[in-house]
Amino acid sequence: QVQLVESGGGLVKPGGSLRLSCAASGFTFSDYYMSWIRQAPGKGLEWVSYISSSGSTIYYADSVKGRFTISRDNAKNSLYLQMNSLRAEDTAVYYCARTDSSGWYSDYWGQGTLVTVSS
Amino acid sequence: SYVLTQPPSVSVAPGKTARITCGGNNIGSKSVHWYQQKPGQAPVLVIYYDSDRPSGIPERFSGSNSGNTATLTISRVEAGDEADYYCQVWDSSSDPWVFGGGTKLTVL
Repeated sequence: QVQLVESGGGLVKPGGSLRLSCAASGFTFSDYYMSWIRQAPGKGLEWVSYISSSGSTIYYADSVKGRFTISRDNAKNSLYLQMNSLRAEDTAVYYCARTDSSGWYSDYWGQGTLVTVSS
Repeated sequence: SYVLTQPPSVSVAPGKTARITCGGNNIGSKSVHWYQQKPGQAPVLVIYYDSDRPSGIPERFSGSNSGNTATLTISRVEAGDEADYYCQVWDSSSDPWVFGGGTKLTVL
């Protein structure tokens, strides 16, 4: 069965950096787009970024553009999100999600990892 | 940027039909996807491409999309359907993915 397990969350000071990872299993990772979606405490869902199956196509939300970098390693069945210049408003649960080949929706989500940006 | 508008809350009695709307400018020209999120859990896809159901999702869940409104319909509502529901589209302007603000479904 499809499994997505995020890791790397934690407490970081404003201006700091963090790298999230997502380990995928139960499907052919290299066949799928992958996405990061976040949810601030008590708030709705906010899309962050997605990457095509080969890594050649990448999109970012305006709110993270220039600060976050998405990447993947198909040999390791892993997805990453490098987050720099973190702000308090980046505080959220970050979900890794398998995304359809058009990049239009996500059919499986991980359980998420909490990122807290606070001094 | 494209905006999706959902009612903050919808209440329905068990066994009745719940309809959750998602409004957007000419949303009928886009493909709408719906997610269910129960407290403390990750979202689950319940409808994709307006009206398709992933495997494992009950037939009680259906979707439609026309004009300026997309609708998620849950028939014969059960207590276990109580959750937040989010609509989502892909848009070619600014951020490609747009989520609605979410609707809390309460089963009375």
